[in-house]
Amino acid sequence: DQQVKQNSPSLSVQEGRISILNCDYTNSMFDYFLWYKKYPAEGPTFLISISSIKDKNEDGRFTVFLNKSAKHLSLHIVPSQPGDSAVYFCAASYYGGSQGNLIFGKGTKLSVKP
Amino acid sequence: GAGVSQSPSNKVTEKGKDVELRCDPISGHTALYWYRQSLGQGLEFLIYFQGNSAPDKSGLPSDRFSAERTGGSVSTLTIQRTQQEDSAVYLCASSPAKGNIQYFGAGTRLSVL
Repeated sequence: DQQVKQNSPSLSVQEGRISILNCDYTNSMFDYFLWYKKYPAEGPTFLISISSIKDKNEDGRFTVFLNKSAKHLSLHIVPSQPGDSAVYFCAASYYGGSQGNLIFGKGTKLSVKP
Repeated sequence: GAGVSQSPSNKVTEKGKDVELRCDPISGHTALYWYRQSLGQGLEFLIYFQGNSAPDKSGLPSDRFSAERTGGSVSTLTIQRTQQEDSAVYLCASSPAKGNIQYFGAGTRLSVL
């Protein structure tokens, strides 16, 4: 049974607009969340993370929001750029940001059109 | 290079053969992870090495899968008697002593015919 769910397999956005990628989780023991970006034929690269003690973390054009009561997080990209086109994976951890395996969603493919 | 290195990048094998996949983590990283990504799926955790501790093998799908990490650095994932359902991209990641930002290699694409 999937503990981390990304229900939208794909998303298409116009350049300059906001991209919102969503992620839901079922396990309330998760306390650290990460977003990774993956280009074809490359490994995933870390994008941004958030601890469960926060509800928002921002890094440049990327902001992650966490709603613990809804077990939901979202990644906002503003403004979206064509180079942002990639598959985005949401991941969760039990280890509070310390070492341990991550549980990944299936990914959302983002296409940003010029 | 400074990143996680995996070899080979592609491997085609026949059903029933054994394969070895190699991972060279970032120098100084104490933790090493193996994941696999099957078509249309997310990354599935396989095994985790932390320093000199016993590895966490809880994600290995069967006893045909094993891994070792020599000298706290390079790791080899071995799949014995490969099956077609083993076809996937096998990804290795490493992380430093503090924090769980995992840095991934480009993966090995395994195709079992």
